[in-house]
Amino acid sequence: TQLLEQSPQFLSIQEGENLTVYCNSSSVFSSLQWYRQEPGEGPVLLVTVVTGGEVKKLKRLTFQFGDARKDSSLHITAAQPGDTGLYLCAGGSGTSYGKLTFGQGTILTVHP
Amino acid sequence: GAVVSQHPSWVICKSGTSVKIECRSLDFQATTMFWYRQFPKQSLMLMATSNEGSKATYEQGVEKDKFLINHASLTLSTLTVTSAHPEDSSFYICSARDLGRWNEQFFGPGTRLTVL
Repeated sequence: TQLLEQSPQFLSIQEGENLTVYCNSSSVFSSLQWYRQEPGEGPVLLVTVVTGGEVKKLKRLTFQFGDARKDSSLHITAAQPGDTGLYLCAGGSGTSYGKLTFGQGTILTVHP
Repeated sequence: GAVVSQHPSWVICKSGTSVKIECRSLDFQATTMFWYRQFPKQSLMLMATSNEGSKATYEQGVEKDKFLINHASLTLSTLTVTSAHPEDSSFYICSARDLGRWNEQFFGPGTRLTVL
């Protein structure tokens, strides 16, 4: 069974601060997705990384996939209240039906 | 692209009744859909994998006779909660896998089920 450890579980910061969320596993993943979810809504895909060492940027968000494809990080620069939400990492095993392994989630609150 | 709809968005029912939730991929075909359950402030818990034209695969601990899944077409999967009880109250979310993308799943907006 593949496990994905996500940390921290809760993050409460002031507007303008930087933060990093981590996802770690002992298993290798063929891909790693990051999702953001707001209360009462479904998760929205932010990015997919598939190559070890890959770095992708989405405005103030930087996503990195570890060289060994066992870990990933999400870094947010100058956080804004609109970044508030539940962030989820999910690893794809590459099986034919594409089941994802989800991390426990990080609840981010950015205070004005 | 990659839009998934879910209906209803919320439902309240009496204990003992059955509730059907629909999940549709609107602009792509999905041979595989997934059903998740989510408790407040927690991550997603996979309930089952729904494959078009075949039986669903349920995760350990999920009662297949209670949570009936039917993937009748390449754009529609349904989850029926049979003989619902208050402990079945939860947020149910479906996702659909786009074969053209790397294991990416696109999620519906979720259905809030409340069983009285």
